[in-house]
Amino acid sequence: DSGVTQTPKHLITATGQRVTLRCSPRSGDLSVYWYQQSLDQGLQFLIQYYNGEERAKGNILERFSAQQFPDLHSELNLSSLELGDSALYFCASRALGQGNTEAFFGQGTRLTVV
Amino acid sequence: DAKTTQPNSMESNEEEPVHLPCNHSTISGTDYIHWYRQLPSQGPEYVIHGLTSNVNNRMASLAIAEDRKSSTLILHRATLRDAAVYYCIPTTYNTDKLIFGTGTRLQVFP
Repeated sequence: DSGVTQTPKHLITATGQRVTLRCSPRSGDLSVYWYQQSLDQGLQFLIQYYNGEERAKGNILERFSAQQFPDLHSELNLSSLELGDSALYFCASRALGQGNTEAFFGQGTRLTVV
Repeated sequence: DAKTTQPNSMESNEEEPVHLPCNHSTISGTDYIHWYRQLPSQGPEYVIHGLTSNVNNRMASLAIAEDRKSSTLILHRATLRDAAVYYCIPTTYNTDKLIFGTGTRLQVFP
């Protein structure tokens, strides 16, 4: 158990809908990362927050948005969903905003858009 | 961001050592070298990281070239559970970007 909790584990929704994925980081971890992994594809970095502020942005679509709350949990909002958004979405947390600490990943949310 | 080059795939037999190479010739002096792995249907997990010196932990060893342009992850005795995609990721100390490349898919045979 990495200590990072993602909910829900599975989500099935229709095209055009909006969903919210939730990530609870390890206790005390200030950094949260979001990644998308389509079937048999690599991990695409979406966005990162550090202590409530956006720290880095990757290939995140305009239909997607995220935030990190004062209690450090994070939510990834996906709207106007398309079939191609079906993927595993992972979140990770890290203690500090430094490159010499390890990141811990959740087990992911599997999103299926039908 | 430093770019990395890893073989697409490697094979090993169970209980044999495995050496997974990574080329990161554009790495900067303050970049740590991290290794993560992703087992099938799971989230990535941290394996090891280092800066200049070789590093050991319970999972693996990391050998870093003297010029830091390459590194090798060493699994001393591969098990079936080590079958995964292994990612080498340079990470700058003052930022904490974590960008995954394509990694090396390791197959372990009984």
